[in-house]
Amino acid sequence: NAGVTQTPKFRVLKTGQSMTLLCAQDMNHEYMYWYRQDPGMGLRLIHYSVGEGTTAKGEVPDGYNVSRLKKQNFLLGLESAAPSQTSVYFCASSRPVTYEQYFGPGTRLTVT
Amino acid sequence: GNSVTQMEGPVTLSEEAFLTINCTYTATGYPSLFWYVQYPGEGLQLLLKATKADDKGSNKGFEATYRKETTSFHLEKGSVQVSDSAVYFCALSAGNQFYFGTGTSLTVIP
Repeated sequence: NAGVTQTPKFRVLKTGQSMTLLCAQDMNHEYMYWYRQDPGMGLRLIHYSVGEGTTAKGEVPDGYNVSRLKKQNFLLGLESAAPSQTSVYFCASSRPVTYEQYFGPGTRLTVT
Repeated sequence: GNSVTQMEGPVTLSEEAFLTINCTYTATGYPSLFWYVQYPGEGLQLLLKATKADDKGSNKGFEATYRKETTSFHLEKGSVQVSDSAVYFCALSAGNQFYFGTGTSLTVIP
């Protein structure tokens, strides 16, 4: 039981490049989330999904897109990376009702 | 709206000292409240939770009580250890979303 895994662990992009971060969970959770963590700002929700095929915007969605084609996977895309997107990205999953979230180990992204 | 405010850090304590990290919240409805811990280079892990007023969450010697009258969920531990050094996040869940505080860094020195 791996829990929540994220790929890749580290990435460096140049401004304007695109990339996709992959999150996978093996706990059969309905809900999945993408956060970014920046110094002094805690975690901020980018997008989330309450089920396969559904997504919704969180607090800071601009510049990101997501897809949830399979229940166990949640993809975060950056179409044209900007230095302001340099951050650590965390994926999480949870069941409805309890809402206890399980987090992945994070992806450290640097945009130069 | 929903939000969480927690004590600014960093906090430095000697081993066996008493720990309090303050957390207050603003929420519509009846949120569940959580404390998460993040060790260096890792994701967040659930430390404890409380789902209704007056509930006490506890784990690994840490405790927090859901106080609706003061909208607070302060984290306490009677005797900290070096291994407790980490960043602690207070959070609430409302609807489908979580709202996190900015985190409090704790360093425990021998």
